Amino acid sequence: KAGVTQTPRYLIKTRGQQVTLSCSPISGHRSVSWYQQTPGQGLQFLFEYFSETQRNKGNFPGRFSGRQFSNSRSEMNVSTLELGDSALYLCASSLRPNTDTQYFGPGTRLTVL
Amino acid sequence: AQSVTQPDIHITVSEGASLELRCNYSYGATPYLFWYVQSPGQGLQLLLKYFSGDTLVQGIKGFEAEFKRSQSSFNLRKPSVHWSDAAEYFCAVGTNNAGNMLTFGGGTRLMVKP
Repeated sequence: KAGVTQTPRYLIKTRGQQVTLSCSPISGHRSVSWYQQTPGQGLQFLFEYFSETQRNKGNFPGRFSGRQFSNSRSEMNVSTLELGDSALYLCASSLRPNTDTQYFGPGTRLTVL
Repeated sequence: AQSVTQPDIHITVSEGASLELRCNYSYGATPYLFWYVQSPGQGLQLLLKYFSGDTLVQGIKGFEAEFKRSQSSFNLRKPSVHWSDAAEYFCAVGTNNAGNMLTFGGGTRLMVKP
């Protein structure tokens, strides 16, 4: 069974631009979560989606948004990029919410110049 | 809100030696506890998890962890470390009322000496 797929793997953007990252969960998984990993702040929860509904949201500004499609694929969007948004963005999928085992993708490395 | 502390930022052990990585959590009720490993440029791989029941949990790659409620700890152990175990290890806590949201510790980077 294929694992969690994230595209693109690497991105370079400039301040003020916006970016969209994509996550395809493991087949049959309906819950998708997003995390931001930086050297300074570590791993921080962004949001979680299940059945196209956002269930939880972390403490991030409104510039960070996401959505989930009917096929469980998810996208996250960051508008008006700031230098501090440079990070590894990780997506995780699971069968369902409530701390079922989550499987992480390889991440998208975003660099903001 | 829950929190996780991994007191050791870096640990170096010799190949073949035993390993213990510390993890302390803060949460009012019984948490769900996880250990993940991350190799450079990779995502996170689940080593083991504790939801309930037996407090000694066996995981992949020969790792085990013990949940000690009285100490709010969930330390990861391995009796004999291999060079391929060099990586960063993360402890995480979840709860039964926050979906799949995990709170991670800061991580412990493990280096293995030949």
